[in-house]
Amino acid sequence: EAQVTQNPRYLITVTGKKLTVTCSQNMNHEYMSWYRQDPGLGLRQIYYSMNVEVTDKGDVPEGYKVSRKEKRNFPLILESPSPNQTSLYFCASIGSGDTQYFGPGTRLTVL
Amino acid sequence: GQSLEQPSEVTAVEGAIVQINCTYQTSGFYGLSWYQQHDGGAPTFLSYNALDGLEETGRFSSFLSRSDSYGYLLLQELQMKDSASYFCAVRDNGQNFVFGPGTRLSVLP
Repeated sequence: EAQVTQNPRYLITVTGKKLTVTCSQNMNHEYMSWYRQDPGLGLRQIYYSMNVEVTDKGDVPEGYKVSRKEKRNFPLILESPSPNQTSLYFCASIGSGDTQYFGPGTRLTVL
Repeated sequence: GQSLEQPSEVTAVEGAIVQINCTYQTSGFYGLSWYQQHDGGAPTFLSYNALDGLEETGRFSSFLSRSDSYGYLLLQELQMKDSASYFCAVRDNGQNFVFGPGTRLSVLP
């Protein structure tokens, strides 16, 4: 079954404590992306990756890092989280026809 | 800047037809896609248009006019389960995706 998994699903943390949200896909897609979703703003692209070791900034990259060491995994790293990064995060794997397969989401709260 | 505009809310009754419009202003254009998101869930892909015209997938159709920077999603024979948020998205310069703010559709019995 085609799948995108994210972990954790829920996370409450404190300002400045480094965290990583993992994302994995089993569809052998080259293109993967991270989004954050905030009320009234839709989904905003944070970072994307067109292939292994190829990453680029989206519209809201400040405060985030990513890596793409293997095709299936695309972790999102917050090295020093701040309260304005409290949001719902989605990882997506993009196939043909711009079809995006989204993970279940990670709800992050930064206190 | 890059922006997509959609109505914030639409209400319709079961069995009716509803159209959700999307206008876009982006630095480039490769295609317009539509996603459905139920409360508490992840977005799921509905439709994609790269060329002008109508694409039909069951009860859902999507239209694109590149000269007008405009598209719409048409939902026919509305069902209660269609109550959700609908997002349009544009792939602009080839790698970047920009999403609209979403339209909340309420289907009444």
